[in-house]
Amino acid sequence: EAQVTQNPRYLITVTGKKLTVTCSQNMNHEYMSWYRQDPGLGLRQIYYSMNVEVTDKGDVPEGYKVSRKEKRNFPLILESPSPNQTSLYFCASARLTGAEKLFFGSGTQLSVL
Amino acid sequence: GDSVTQMEGPVTLSEEAFLTINCTYTATGYPSLFWYVQYPGEGLQLLLKATKADDKGSNKGFEATYRKETTSFHLEKGSVQVSDSAVYFCALSPRQGAQKLVFGQGTRLTINP
Repeated sequence: EAQVTQNPRYLITVTGKKLTVTCSQNMNHEYMSWYRQDPGLGLRQIYYSMNVEVTDKGDVPEGYKVSRKEKRNFPLILESPSPNQTSLYFCASARLTGAEKLFFGSGTQLSVL
Repeated sequence: GDSVTQMEGPVTLSEEAFLTINCTYTATGYPSLFWYVQYPGEGLQLLLKATKADDKGSNKGFEATYRKETTSFHLEKGSVQVSDSAVYFCALSPRQGAQKLVFGQGTRLTINP
């Protein structure tokens, strides 16, 4: 089954404790992206990647890191989480050429205390 | 910059009612337009799209027409069902491809039996 898998689904942590949210897709998509969803603000793009070893900032990259060492995986790293990073996070992937359809994971609800 | 504005929610309707969710956009050039739907506890899924002016996207009884003169892409359905309860996001892509998809804030729809 074609899917984007995120883990964990829920995460509660404390300020400053490094964490990683994993994302994996099995569709051989070149493009992957991370979004955060906040009430009243819709989805905002954090980082995206056009292919292995190619990443770029989205609209709200501060406080986040990503890596794309393999085509299928695109982890989101919070080196020193802060309470304003409490949010619902989504990973998405798509074909690169002529791609307009994003495939989304089920989301990770992060709470930073 | 590019932006998408959706009608304020939440929207509550009775089953079999007519649905309209308004969406207007600001963009340079000729963007592609999308509606995504998010069912409870899930990631977003593409509902329909239109890539040029006067195109009509349709899926699952939902329709939206790309109106360049009014910069709008309103979502409509003639007779809603309880299973249509979800959050609906209007989005645009400034050019062909998913790399810079810009989302509206989302409209929560609840259908009562």
